[in-house]
Amino acid sequence: EAAVTQSPRNKVAVTGGKVTLSCNQTNNHNNMYWYRQDTGHGLRLIHYSYGAGSTEKGDIPDGYKASRPSQENFSLILELATPSQTSVYFCASGGTGQSSAETLYFGSGTRLTVL
Amino acid sequence: GQQVQQSPASLVLQEGENAELQCNFSTSLNSMQWFYQRPGGSLVSLFYNPSGTKHSGRLTSTTVIKERRSSLHISSSQTTDSGTYLCALERSFNKLTFGAGTRLAVCP
Repeated sequence: EAAVTQSPRNKVAVTGGKVTLSCNQTNNHNNMYWYRQDTGHGLRLIHYSYGAGSTEKGDIPDGYKASRPSQENFSLILELATPSQTSVYFCASGGTGQSSAETLYFGSGTRLTVL
Repeated sequence: GQQVQQSPASLVLQEGENAELQCNFSTSLNSMQWFYQRPGGSLVSLFYNPSGTKHSGRLTSTTVIKERRSSLHISSSQTTDSGTYLCALERSFNKLTFGAGTRLAVCP
């Protein structure tokens, strides 16, 4: 089965600090995604990537940056963390093209608390 | 407003009962997907269903695009079915919009 690994599983950060969430996939998928999940909102798309070197803004990109240095790795970066960014973050990978949403494979999530 | 609305928000069943979960969407879509989220967080894809009916074991997904709805039917529920069920529509190019989910509890 396809594997997506996120680290860390839990993170506590201070307001104004820098936070990096990491994601690794061994599926050789071109597409990777970062979502956040908050009560009452389902999952919302932050950034996504079509392949190494590419990043695209999702629906709620403000306050976040993304980096895709290789096919396998996709990072989400909070340069100046704020309490409103306290959430559960999910990474996903899926598909080899841009034309349709094939099955997505999700990581186990990172619970981030910003104090 | 919300593009994807799921109902009910929560549901409690006795083991063996059936359930029908609904997803209504207000925009055009390329496809509809259903996911199961385990207690504790990770998501598993159940169906990729752009239209029509698909079956997988005790689960059936039906998407009717012209009516802008999709449903997930669970037959003969089991306690291990407990968790949250999420529908998501693809607007374009792999960008999914998720509903808020239906939280299901199946009691023995």
